Amino acid sequence: DQQVKQNSPSLSVQEGRISILNCDYTNSMFDYFLWYKKYPAEGPTFLISISSIKDKNEDGRFTVFLNKSAKHLSLHIVPSQPGDSAVYFCAARIRANNLFFGTGTRLTVIP
Amino acid sequence: DAGVIQSPRHEVTEMGQEVTLRCKPISGHNSLFWYRQTMMRGLELLIYFNNNVPIDDSGMPEDRFSAKMPNASFSTLKIQPSEPRDSAVYFCASSLNGQGTDTQYFGPGTRLTVL
Repeated sequence: DQQVKQNSPSLSVQEGRISILNCDYTNSMFDYFLWYKKYPAEGPTFLISISSIKDKNEDGRFTVFLNKSAKHLSLHIVPSQPGDSAVYFCAARIRANNLFFGTGTRLTVIP
Repeated sequence: DAGVIQSPRHEVTEMGQEVTLRCKPISGHNSLFWYRQTMMRGLELLIYFNNNVPIDDSGMPEDRFSAKMPNASFSTLKIQPSEPRDSAVYFCASSLNGQGTDTQYFGPGTRLTVL
């Protein structure tokens, strides 16, 4: 059973527009959430994270929002660029090491 | 720094054969993780080590899978005998000490195909 779910396998966005990637989780014990980005033939790379005590974290064009009551987080990319085209994985952690990943969303930014 | 190194990058084998995947973590990192990526389940943690000691292997699918970390700079994941359902991309990752908000750095992965 997936504790972290990304229900949209793919998303296409026009360059310059906002990309919104969504993630839902079931375990209320998760206290730290991360987004990883993955290009073909490469391993995932860390993008941005948020602690459960916050509801927003921003880093340049990337912002992650956390809604604990809804057990939902989202990643906003503004403005979207063609180089952002990749698979994005949402992940969550309970206290220590174990990261639980979603199945990923493939983002395509159209020039 | 070369990052996490995995070998081979691609492996094609026949059902029943033994497969060994290798990983060299980032120098100075004390935690090492093995993940498996499939379309259906995304990235799943198989096992992780801290200071070369296996801490949690609850993600290892069955006895056909085994992992070792004989020293701080090398780990192996072995499948014996391999089955077609083991076909997936296997990632190794390492982190400084595996605590709190430590970032995990992933290798490029090994794409395994079992015929």
